[in-house]
Amino acid sequence: DTGVSQNPRHKITKRGQNVTFRCDPISEHNRLYWYRQTLGQGPEFLTYFQNEAQLEKSRLLSDRFSAERPKGSFSTLEIQRTEQGDSAMYLCASSLVGSPQIRQNYGYTFGSGTRLTVV
Amino acid sequence: DQQVKQNSPSLSVQEGRISILNCDYTNSMFDYFLWYKKYPAEGPTFLISISSIKDKNEDGRFTVFLNKSAKHLSLHIVPSQPGDSAVYFCAASARGGGADGLTFGKGTHLIIQP
Repeated sequence: DTGVSQNPRHKITKRGQNVTFRCDPISEHNRLYWYRQTLGQGPEFLTYFQNEAQLEKSRLLSDRFSAERPKGSFSTLEIQRTEQGDSAMYLCASSLVGSPQIRQNYGYTFGSGTRLTVV
Repeated sequence: DQQVKQNSPSLSVQEGRISILNCDYTNSMFDYFLWYKKYPAEGPTFLISISSIKDKNEDGRFTVFLNKSAKHLSLHIVPSQPGDSAVYFCAASARGGGADGLTFGKGTHLIIQP
């Protein structure tokens, strides 16, 4: 397993266009998370999935944002009608929860992110 | 409002000495705390965590201390090595750690001087 994979690594788009990012988590992980990081800030939680169910959404996730994880494996994050304020690094992470064997470590595994620039 | 605060944007430490990174939090519901390390152009990498029922957790050169009454935690790295130069994020969870979204601080850039 090569870890959490995110594509594309970089995306430049014009304001008003739609963009979609993809995340492939570690295969045996059942939880998948999306975060956003802007310059000088720590990652900010957007949403997470348990298998294919989206269980929590941050108030940061406006109506223009939608995330899916249709088969409980990879996930997509779509931003419609992009705005300059959407420019950020979008990070995906995955984890395995529920097993007594992993209670010692609740750390996520993050991908390298997709850097979005809206011009 | 910043619920997790890392008040030092940067810290410079000599190689071989101890690095101490600090983190304060305001939300008393937080019950699990984590430290992540981030190199440029990479995602954060999990380092070490601690549950609120403990006051210390150690893993090799890394030790995290938790003072619940002060709502303060710290990460000690000893001895510091050049490869430790990175941005360190403190993060907290209110639901058992890792189960839901984490709240991150802004990070501290640790620079290890040779």
